[in-house]
Amino acid sequence: DAMVIQNPRYQVTQFGKPVTLSCSQTLNHNVMYWYQQKSSQAPKLLFHYYDKDFNNEADTPDNFQSRRPNTSFCFLDIRSPGLGDAAMYLCATSAGAMPDTQYFGPGTRLTVL
Amino acid sequence: ILNVEQSPQSLHVQEGDSTNFTCSFPSSNFYALHWYRWETAKSPEALFVMTLNGDEKKKGRISATLNTKEGYSYLYIKGSQPEDSATYLCATIGGGSNYKLTFGKGTLLTVNP
Repeated sequence: DAMVIQNPRYQVTQFGKPVTLSCSQTLNHNVMYWYQQKSSQAPKLLFHYYDKDFNNEADTPDNFQSRRPNTSFCFLDIRSPGLGDAAMYLCATSAGAMPDTQYFGPGTRLTVL
Repeated sequence: ILNVEQSPQSLHVQEGDSTNFTCSFPSSNFYALHWYRWETAKSPEALFVMTLNGDEKKKGRISATLNTKEGYSYLYIKGSQPEDSATYLCATIGGGSNYKLTFGKGTLLTVNP
């Protein structure tokens, strides 16, 4: 039973063409996270929502935005993808603040042509 | 900046071998350490959350230890099986943050039948 679902699993976009990745959860968790993992690198936190409160990491580029219209869904918008944005994007949830376990989706692999 | 280092980067073992790998992290301002297993094309799966110095956790053939004073954690797999093949990620919370997981790059384990 999937608990954190990400769509699509693979996304191809063109340089500069906006793209949206989606994440949904059936856990009713308060916190949702977006991570970026580039090839051979560690997953890196982009931002997270605690309920409706948005928390951006200081080094997350302005090109990346997020929306959380309700508890279950969270979106990652990349306004003008560059070649350097090609990566695996992971969504995760947790019930509350740390050290709660995070539950991950399978990720969306983004290719930028 | 919280640097989490994992070694080795990759590891090949034969079925039935026992193995272990290391996660190193700054010992100051430590709050918690997470271990995840990430099989190809699947979601990262939480293995352990550890908070106390000297913690030992076990899940089947997998166990982990934590030394917060010297800043390391070991993950052990006893009698490796092909289904243990995965990337093992560790992540820590610390440096004054109570929500941000800082990941290592992972150890890729391949178990040959």
